[in-house]
Amino acid sequence: DAGVIQSPRHEVTEMGQEVTLRCKPISGHDYLFWYRQTMMRGLELLIYFNNNVPIDDSGMPEDRFSAKMPNASFSTLKIQPSEPRDSAVYFCASSPTVGTGYGYTFGSGTRLTVV
Amino acid sequence: GENVEQHPSTLSVQEGDSAVIKCTYSDSASNYFPWYKQELGKRPQLIIDIRSNVGEKKDQRIAVTLNKTAKHFSLHITETQPEDSAVYFCASDGDGGSQGNLIFGKGTKLSVKP
Repeated sequence: DAGVIQSPRHEVTEMGQEVTLRCKPISGHDYLFWYRQTMMRGLELLIYFNNNVPIDDSGMPEDRFSAKMPNASFSTLKIQPSEPRDSAVYFCASSPTVGTGYGYTFGSGTRLTVV
Repeated sequence: GENVEQHPSTLSVQEGDSAVIKCTYSDSASNYFPWYKQELGKRPQLIIDIRSNVGEKKDQRIAVTLNKTAKHFSLHITETQPEDSAVYFCASDGDGGSQGNLIFGKGTKLSVKP
């Protein structure tokens, strides 16, 4: 298995532009998570899905952020319009099931810079 | 909800010494406690985990201990090497994992000096 695949690895965009981050989870994993990592705030859970259904989006900072999972093998995180404070590394992670004993597998992340 | 506190935030040791990172959690229903290592510019990677029915688990130079009564767990690294330098995150499944997500500590930056 190729692991969790994220694209792009790096994204530089101008303030006000739309940004779309993509994630392909490990095949057979039921859960998909989007995290944002910054020096100041550490790892923040933005949203997660179970069987393609959003379970908890309370971590999504504001309406500019949206996430979708149209099928079991693909998810997107969209920021529109982007702002400089959105600059961070965004990680996608997946896990096989709920409950005890299953850790996440993280993707390589997307480093977003908004100028 | 679950709250995970991690200490210290930074730790510097000499090569060959031991390093200990401690985490506390709040939800007594928590059952699963993984540790992740994140090297500079890389993804967090699972290095060891422990379940609530086990008090200690070892894997070569790393070990994790769990005290459910006190609601804390620790990562122990012995004979540290420069390649152990990284940020380490503890986590808890909170509420027995019924929600499906992990709650992470803020991380400990470990520096191993040659």
